[in-house]
Amino acid sequence: DTGVSQNPRHKITKRGQNVTFRCDPISEHNRLYWYRQTLGQGPEFLTYFQNEAQLEKSRLLSDRFSAERPKGSFSTLEIQRTEQGDSAMYLCASSLNSPYEQYFGPGTRLTVT
Amino acid sequence: AQTVTQSQPEMSVQEAETVTLSCTYDTSESDYYLFWYKQPPSRQMILVIRQEAYKQQNATENRFSVNFQKAAKSFSLKISDSQLGDAAMYFCAYRRDGGTSGSRLTFGEGTQLTVNP
Repeated sequence: DTGVSQNPRHKITKRGQNVTFRCDPISEHNRLYWYRQTLGQGPEFLTYFQNEAQLEKSRLLSDRFSAERPKGSFSTLEIQRTEQGDSAMYLCASSLNSPYEQYFGPGTRLTVT
Repeated sequence: AQTVTQSQPEMSVQEAETVTLSCTYDTSESDYYLFWYKQPPSRQMILVIRQEAYKQQNATENRFSVNFQKAAKSFSLKISDSQLGDAAMYFCAYRRDGGTSGSRLTFGEGTQLTVNP
């Protein structure tokens, strides 16, 4: 399967713990995006990379959130000191350097108890 | 800031019938792209159809077509000959053209489509 992959698919953590998610984009795609989707809502943009450079961050990305894309390949999204409000589906997408389609991964569902 | 509004939280259609999902958006930009994405239950989001704002012709992809009204900032999706596999959450999305913020997608709240056999 050459699509976007995300790991883990599900994560349950206790409030205050740190969590890290991984996204592997489609191999030739130089752009990578993170979105957050809460139940019954549309995805909301968090951040985006072009190659290894993080070019844009949403105001939703508080200082507890950090994302990296070393060497312009896979990306990680870390949430420190998780809160119950962080419970959501975290979606990763990738694309070529074009205005067209973003290809989405299956998401990581985070539950903070 | 750009906003996308889907005023129909839920829609239903009989198999083989036609259904139209509504979407309106707000932007001050003249160049942008509009998309409809489909998210089946517990499955990943896939692109259904896209429309470039500079094109007057409405996009069509097999049974899916759009009615793009730029002046009215309206972008509806028509599904013809509905199939059971069309049941999903449908999201309308906007993307401006150019600049570093030209890459983010802004999504609507979604419309849950049920297809009845």
